[in-house]
Amino acid sequence: KAGVTQTPRYLIKTRGQQVTLSCSPISGHRSVSWYQQTPGQGLQFLFEYFSETQRNKGNFPGRFSGRQFSNSRSEMNVSTLELGDSALYLCASSLEAGWEDEKLFFGSGTQLSVL
Amino acid sequence: GEDVEQSLFLSVREGDSSVINCTYTDSSSTYLYWYKQEPGAGLQLLTYIFSNMDMKQDQRLTVLLNKKDKHLSLRIADTQTGDSAIYFCAERVPSGGSYIPTFGRGTSLIVHP
Repeated sequence: KAGVTQTPRYLIKTRGQQVTLSCSPISGHRSVSWYQQTPGQGLQFLFEYFSETQRNKGNFPGRFSGRQFSNSRSEMNVSTLELGDSALYLCASSLEAGWEDEKLFFGSGTQLSVL
Repeated sequence: GEDVEQSLFLSVREGDSSVINCTYTDSSSTYLYWYKQEPGAGLQLLTYIFSNMDMKQDQRLTVLLNKKDKHLSLRIADTQTGDSAIYFCAERVPSGGSYIPTFGRGTSLIVHP
């Protein structure tokens, strides 16, 4: 079974641009969550989607948005990029949202650099 | 708010035991997790422990939980160079009918010969 796939692997953008990142979950997984990882702030939760609905949202500005499609694939979008948005963006999938013991499976991430 | 704290670095000699410590704040957490991140990769779930347990052993890994002090530790026996990675502890906090994971900043384990 294929793992969680994130594309692209690397991305370089300039300030003010927007970017879309993609995440394909493990087949059969219905929940996708996104995280931002930086050396300064560590790993921070962005949002979680289940059955095309946003279930939870972290403490990020409205420039960060996401969506989930009927096949459970998810995209996140960052508009008006800032230098501080440079980070590794990780997505994780799980069978279903709402269970505390459910296991998260992570992709390798998209490394975004904003110049 | 919820916060999970870990020391940032640990250096050990190959063959020794490594102990990575973590403190968490949400006493309602039922499960606590340890993840491993190798360079250029995402997080991989190593093990987790149910809050009514004091200890869980899985091959070279031993997790100890002190619920009174909200302290979690991961012991790696016979540490190998392949264990060099960043280790994250995490709890999951209830929110919106689901659970949001809160991660520590990660402990970089360096294993030298």
